[in-house]
Amino acid sequence: DTAVSQTPKYLVTQMGNDKSIKCEQNLGHDTMYWYKQDSKKFLKIMFSYNNKELIINETVPNRFSPKSPDKAHLNLHINSLELGDSAVYFCASSPGGTPYEQYFGPGTRLTVT
Amino acid sequence: AQSVTQPDIHITVSEGASLELRCNYSYGATPYLFWYVQSPGQGLQLLLKYFSGDTLVQGIKGFEAEFKRSQSSFNLRKPSVHWSDAAEYFCAVGRRPGNQFYFGTGTSLTVIP
Repeated sequence: DTAVSQTPKYLVTQMGNDKSIKCEQNLGHDTMYWYKQDSKKFLKIMFSYNNKELIINETVPNRFSPKSPDKAHLNLHINSLELGDSAVYFCASSPGGTPYEQYFGPGTRLTVT
Repeated sequence: AQSVTQPDIHITVSEGASLELRCNYSYGATPYLFWYVQSPGQGLQLLLKYFSGDTLVQGIKGFEAEFKRSQSSFNLRKPSVHWSDAAEYFCAVGRRPGNQFYFGTGTSLTVIP
């Protein structure tokens, strides 16, 4: 069973479009995250949700909006895509509280043309 | 401010040779430290973690790491590298609250026969 899954794995779209990436975890974890990995492999956290409540909201454009319909899902919606949004987006989850390791999904490679 | 430094961008070792990947952190409180590995096109997999206690921690795939508070370091080691160890390695520090992770910029490992 896949612990943290993301769909789609690849996403190619044009500038100005709106797209969503979905994430699901079956680990029973309370906390979920979105990270962006740029072309130089640098990983930066974007958002974190705990029990459907936003707890970390780093400085990202408000074109990015996370949505957590339930504890097991955290989706990322991106409006008006720009070339600079091209990256690999990783979802992760961890048990509630700290400290705990995070479990990562396989990533979604977004290419904006 | 918290930060993680991985001084070596790229390391090349021969198969069977020993390996040490360096990680230095800057954090005001007790750090929660992690090493992750990312194979090409894959998500991040946890190798090992340090929360407290014994400063030498063992992980998966024959890796170990040693926490040295006086040097603010958490270096990853392996006595004998296998070709399958070629990957990107990330050091991370976790912070309370929210279990926010700060990742280093990664070290790319190449293994030559």
